[in-house]
Amino acid sequence: ETGVTQSPTHLIKTRGQQVTLRCSSQSGHNTVSWYQQALGQGPQFIFQYYREEENGRGNFPPRFSGLQFPNYSSELNVNALELDDSALYLCASSRTGTGANVLTFGAGSRLTVL
Amino acid sequence: RKEVEQDPGPFNVPEGATVAFNCTYSNSASQSFFWYRQDCRKEPKLLMSVYSSGNEDGRFTAQLNRASQYISLLIRDSKLSDSATYLCVVNPGGGNKLTFGTGTQLKVEL
Repeated sequence: ETGVTQSPTHLIKTRGQQVTLRCSSQSGHNTVSWYQQALGQGPQFIFQYYREEENGRGNFPPRFSGLQFPNYSSELNVNALELDDSALYLCASSRTGTGANVLTFGAGSRLTVL
Repeated sequence: RKEVEQDPGPFNVPEGATVAFNCTYSNSASQSFFWYRQDCRKEPKLLMSVYSSGNEDGRFTAQLNRASQYISLLIRDSKLSDSATYLCVVNPGGGNKLTFGTGTQLKVEL
């Protein structure tokens, strides 16, 4: 059983640029959630994707967008990067039904915005 | 008021000690509760779910008090390997959206 994999692991961008982060979900999982974790904070829910559609969103502006593909993998896109977007971006996969609340996290993509 | 509140610590304890972490949540309709563990610069990993009747997993005991909207985690016989940040996590309303506290840092020392 493969776990959740994310890429890239680290990246540096400058203000105003755009970034795409990628996530492959764990085998057997059909739902993907994205979280942002700033230094010293707990993860904050960005949004969730199920059946290739956004299925719940946290308090993040529209410049945060995502996609889910037929193989359940997902992308997080952030436009017009700001310094405060510097954080660890975590992807988590899960499945619907029994155990739906149990999330398996990837190791994250650490984004630095200069 | 934050949705999930925890004391950030750090809690510095000697090996073998018993340590307890507490957490409060604001949404009385919350349905599911968890403790996750996060090692430095790693991803969070599920430690245990928390049930109203209380549950135990080896040296770890979790308790939920719905009336007080309070969750606890007790670690007995602390090991050096228990050093990590412990995240209190609440599912406020079904679905898979989880709300995390800021985490409590535990350092177990010789």
